[in-house]
Amino acid sequence: DGGITQSPKYLFRKEGQNVTLSCEQNLNHDAMYWYRQDPGQGLRLIYYSQIVNDFQKGDIAEGYSVSREKKESFPLTVTSAQKNPTAFYLCASSIDRRSTDTQYFGPGTRLTVL
Amino acid sequence: GDSVTQMEGPVTLSEEAFLTINCTYTATGYPSLFWYVQYPGEGLQLLLKATKADDKGSNKGFEATYRKETTSFHLEKGSVQVSDSAVYFCALSANRGSTLGRLYFGRGTQLTVWP
Repeated sequence: DGGITQSPKYLFRKEGQNVTLSCEQNLNHDAMYWYRQDPGQGLRLIYYSQIVNDFQKGDIAEGYSVSREKKESFPLTVTSAQKNPTAFYLCASSIDRRSTDTQYFGPGTRLTVL
Repeated sequence: GDSVTQMEGPVTLSEEAFLTINCTYTATGYPSLFWYVQYPGEGLQLLLKATKADDKGSNKGFEATYRKETTSFHLEKGSVQVSDSAVYFCALSANRGSTLGRLYFGRGTQLTVWP
């Protein structure tokens, strides 16, 4: 089945630690995105990538980093510099970056900082 | 900048009631408009979309019409079911410039349907 997978589903981290969230897609999509969801705030864009080895900051990139070494993979690292990292993180992909393209979402990773 | 404003929730309805969730947008140019649905603990699923003015998106009994004159994309369903209980997000996708293809989301509307 084609789709987007995110792992793990739940993640716990101690303050001061970096943690990496996985996102993989087998849809052959060029564009990939990371969003953060907080209660009552909708989704906010962290980073996006249109092509391998290229990515751009979204609205809330501070304290996060990404890489895009393969078309299928777009991991997100939450660094210790992120002041309030507890949230639900969603990865998405689309065929391209056209406005008409649908973004398809993974099941999400819930990160809790202890 | 581009933005979406949608009706604040929560919305509580009885089964078979009529549903409207209001969504208005601000954008330069001609964005595409989307409704996504999120069930508890899951990611977002596309419910419907419209890519140009006067287009009507529809799926699973839900409908929304892209109204450029009122900059709106209201979600409607004639008869809701308990299984429609979820959070609904309105979103727009910019069609030009550095923001091309980015999604801007509303805050979401929680819908609860009682039997």
